[in-house]
Amino acid sequence: EVQLVESGGGLVQPGRSLRLSCAASGFTFDDYAMHWVRQAPGKGLEWVSGISWNSGSIGYADSVKGRFTISRDNAKNSLYLQMNSLRAEDTALYYCAKDRIAAAGLNWYFDLWGRGTLVTVSS
Amino acid sequence: EIVLTQSPATLSLSPGERATLSCRASQSVSSYLAWYQQKPGQAPRLLIYDASNRATGIPARFSGSGSGTDFTLTISSLEPEDFAVYYCQQRGTFGQGTKLEIK
Repeated sequence: EVQLVESGGGLVQPGRSLRLSCAASGFTFDDYAMHWVRQAPGKGLEWVSGISWNSGSIGYADSVKGRFTISRDNAKNSLYLQMNSLRAEDTALYYCAKDRIAAAGLNWYFDLWGRGTLVTVSS
Repeated sequence: EIVLTQSPATLSLSPGERATLSCRASQSVSSYLAWYQQKPGQAPRLLIYDASNRATGIPARFSGSGSGTDFTLTISSLEPEDFAVYYCQQRGTFGQGTKLEIK
């Protein structure tokens, strides 16, 4: 089955760190760029970060630049998001998403999404 | 930074009616625009990419048009399952969403 499964969310205090994981299955993971997209409770979608198939192209939203780090392990079919210096405004459901086509760089159309993992930043 | 503005914020229609959703970009994005549908408690689903191409498995009643700064998502005849929130997207930017609700 083609799917993405996120994990690693939870309740964390402001200023602390958390690492999210996304396990991919059912497709050739190392052919595709991958992304993290978040959604605060009751709000819209916000792109967080993306990484190309070979980690050669990486991008971050301004709101997380310098605090979050995206990475991938193609041997393990896994995507990660290291989140440091967390703030209350980082509270959201974090989705892992796959680019639509296998290509160099970031393609920016997300045709497969996980169900998300909830991150709550609160003291 | 590109800003995407969707209108209306809420659209109230009945099943069988035609829905027209708008997305305006603050500067030209050529045809590099996507549309997503999100139902409560679910992840978004890609409907349209490159402004007018339907994604795999998307019914023909969904169509996209536009280029430059003005884009439209049209649902020709609403089915009960189409009532949801719709987002446009251009690279790392999403619009704020249009909620399509049953009248």
